[in-house]
Amino acid sequence: AQSVTQLGSHVSVSEGALVLLRCNYSSSVPPYLFWYVQYPNQGLQLLLKYTTGATLVKGINGFEAEFKKSETSFHLTKPSAHMSDAAEYFCAVSADTGRRALTFGSGTRLQVQP
Amino acid sequence: GAGVSQSPRYKVAKRGQDVALRCDPISGHVSLFWYQQALGQGPEFLTYFQNEAQLDKSGLPSDRFFAERPEGSVSTLKIQRTQQEDSAVYLCASSYGQGTLSGANVLTFGAGSRLTVL
Repeated sequence: AQSVTQLGSHVSVSEGALVLLRCNYSSSVPPYLFWYVQYPNQGLQLLLKYTTGATLVKGINGFEAEFKKSETSFHLTKPSAHMSDAAEYFCAVSADTGRRALTFGSGTRLQVQP
Repeated sequence: GAGVSQSPRYKVAKRGQDVALRCDPISGHVSLFWYQQALGQGPEFLTYFQNEAQLDKSGLPSDRFFAERPEGSVSTLKIQRTQQEDSAVYLCASSYGQGTLSGANVLTFGAGSRLTVL
């Protein structure tokens, strides 16, 4: 079984400030980890993914995430928030290759204050 | 097409009505998934197709939910005798991969079909 916990359903930062969105997962096998972003009335768009190899993963729009196996975490960061980053962010895990489905967290809504 | 297309984008149904939601995946994508996203929640897995074969339907909440993909491309999610708790956004996603590492393949999502049951 696999699960994802996103701490904080709402996060508010000032424009230019650090963005940190937290994600912890549970998995009985080595996981594949993903971050997706969802803008209002749009589908989910992939920000970045971790499969194997380098544990620090860089994605689009200046976001990056670090896989920490010892902490079972995959937190998403961006050094400097932009107004256009305001959206809903979902962490997801795929750990059952037989099932092939993603399990999503409940999401974190990011607000960026001017 | 260039992306995953879903229709209708919005559907209002009276309780007890049947609805059908359509998904047109990216051409050539083998894998197709349906997810249900309730308000304020993350997407929840419903069912998975590899070509025309429905390999996993463990997420379908009841026997009122039925999905098909008869020719391995377009898929339809049908909900019979809709109830208020069926109100949600239904997301379709597709990916190219099908092998044992397909869990690592990137899913491309459609914009969703928002169902409101009155």
